[in-house]
Amino acid sequence: GQQVMQIPQYQHVQEGEDFTTYCNSSTTLSNIQWYKQRPGGHPVFLIQLVKSGEVKKQKRLTFQFGEAKKNSSLHITATQTTDVGTYFCAGIDATNKLIFGTGTLLAVQP
Amino acid sequence: DGGITQSPKYLFRKEGQNVTLSCEQNLNHDAMYWYRQDPGQGLRLIYYSQIVNDFQKGDIAEGYSVSREKKESFPLTVTSAQKNPTAFYLCASSIGNRVVGTQYFGPGTRLTVL
Repeated sequence: GQQVMQIPQYQHVQEGEDFTTYCNSSTTLSNIQWYKQRPGGHPVFLIQLVKSGEVKKQKRLTFQFGEAKKNSSLHITATQTTDVGTYFCAGIDATNKLIFGTGTLLAVQP
Repeated sequence: DGGITQSPKYLFRKEGQNVTLSCEQNLNHDAMYWYRQDPGQGLRLIYYSQIVNDFQKGDIAEGYSVSREKKESFPLTVTSAQKNPTAFYLCASSIGNRVVGTQYFGPGTRLTVL
């Protein structure tokens, strides 16, 4: 079945360092959504990308949707301790099904 | 305040017992979903409903049942047939019932089967 893989599974950074998580799908996605889940919490919607090659920014966060609409990335510039959590991508496939990625757990050391 | 509520936050049950998890939303969303999350894992879809009195199986529906008698409510029953029910269960809703929209999640219920 279709899978959406994220790498890395886990990343530990020093506060102030940059962080990137990558999301890869086996098939083309109509759009991609990103969510953040704080430890012990529930996923919270961050953003949605629809167009091929689209780039969106939210303060220190930059989201990109690949040209082939099969991959996406989330880049955080100068991480802060408040960025700690698991970041999930989720893509809508051709059958209108939302597939969640495996998630990347970010740990930030002060 | 509009939102999604799930109760209880923590639930303990003995093996072999059925248990029902509550999910209520006052966002007037058409679609509702149930996901299961295991430690270090992503979210896996159990069931979803796009309209009252109708629901579809997700990827891991075996051992679970749902009902959608009201737009606001989408309870999930974890039956004794579910082989490994201990997990974090998340309910979500989204606007509209044709295209999967932004998922608004409830706080979740942590179920532990002893």
